[in-house]
Amino acid sequence: EAGVVQSPRYKIIEKKQPVAFWCNPISGHNTLYWYLQNLGQGPELLIRYENEEAVDDSQLPKDRFSAERLKGVDSTLKIQPAELGDSAVYLCASSPGLRSEQFFGPGTRLTVL
Amino acid sequence: GEDVEQSLFLSVREGDSSVINCTYTDSSSTYLYWYKQEPGAGLQLLTYIFSNMDMKQDQRLTVLLNKKDKHLSLRIADTQTGDSAIYFCAEITGTASKLTFGTGTRLQVTL
Repeated sequence: EAGVVQSPRYKIIEKKQPVAFWCNPISGHNTLYWYLQNLGQGPELLIRYENEEAVDDSQLPKDRFSAERLKGVDSTLKIQPAELGDSAVYLCASSPGLRSEQFFGPGTRLTVL
Repeated sequence: GEDVEQSLFLSVREGDSSVINCTYTDSSSTYLYWYKQEPGAGLQLLTYIFSNMDMKQDQRLTVLLNKKDKHLSLRIADTQTGDSAIYFCAEITGTASKLTFGTGTRLQVTL
């Protein structure tokens, strides 16, 4: 069974440019998470979806970040415009349901120049 | 509030035991987890313990939980070079499924 798939794996952009990350969760997993991992730190939750509904987006900086999960499967996370401080690894995870084990993708490493 | 702390670095010799420690502040934690992250990879769940347990053993891994002191540890027996990675403890609390991670402990295994 395939794990959580993320693309791209690496992205380098100039500040003020837009960027988007894509996540394909494990088949059948209703819950999807986006995490931000800064260098030398643990992941921090940005947003959690239950099917297509965002049920916890309190940590998502809504002035520049947006996310969607159309049809309750794949998800995209967008930053517009990107800032230097957005350089980090963006991790996607999925789980069969609330409070179940979370399976992580390899992440997208973003570098903003 | 939620706060999970870990020491930053641990170096052990191959074949020795490793003990990675973690402290947390939220007494309502229900599950506590240990994740492993290798360079350029996502997080891999190693093991977890329910808050009403004191100890859990899984092959080379032993998790100890001291709920009174809010202290969690992961012992890796017979540490191998393949165990070199960053280890994160994480807690999940209340009715939400939000994981709060520690800062991670980098384990270096030397020959």
